[in-house]
Amino acid sequence: DIQMTQSPSTLSASVGDRVTFTCRASLSITSWLAWYQQKPGKAPKLLIYKASSLESGVPSRFTGSGSGTEFTLTISSLQPDDFATYYCQQYDTYPWTFGQGTKVEIK
Amino acid sequence: QVQLVQSGAEVKKPGASVKVSCKASGYTFTSYDINWVRQATGQGLEWMGWMNPNSGNRGYAQKFQGRVTMTRNTSISTAYMELSSLRSEDTAVYYCARSGSYLGHWGQGTLVTVSS
Repeated sequence: DIQMTQSPSTLSASVGDRVTFTCRASLSITSWLAWYQQKPGKAPKLLIYKASSLESGVPSRFTGSGSGTEFTLTISSLQPDDFATYYCQQYDTYPWTFGQGTKVEIK
Repeated sequence: QVQLVQSGAEVKKPGASVKVSCKASGYTFTSYDINWVRQATGQGLEWMGWMNPNSGNRGYAQKFQGRVTMTRNTSISTAYMELSSLRSEDTAVYYCARSGSYLGHWGQGTLVTVSS
């Protein structure tokens, strides 16, 4: 199975900050990577697919980049609605696998 | 708009089975795979498997092989996930999610509690 490792596990930041977190795959997944946002008690929401494509309706402050084994998600200016947990997921090879998540907390 | 509506919460005893439904609307049910993902309280997301509603083809994560069965009823645009031989570690929220490739649309989740 392809292992997905996210860092950091928790990130403390303030409204307006630029934040970046990382997702690493144990094998190359080319660009078959998605990012999801999840808030407590809610289903995950797709933000980014194919590593850098923004899902329709998702604010442009979210940017995904990377290929192969290393990927990043950047929020250019953190908004109150962005405090949540973010998961990466590879869909290159079954079984699909998720990272363990990065929780963005209010500083 | 695309909607996936799941069945309600379940409480089961260890050793029992549970069957969760996922009713699709707003798109052609047979055109996209349905995946199942679970999340234990306070934990991350765990992919369980996929099913193609058109062909019935399916694939399961090794961890669930022999215990999970994914089926569908195309006449009512509904997918099902049945998990057997339940144990306390199966207590989680179970989500269905539609995929062309990535998981673009998710159901609201179904809490399954396994307790004696």
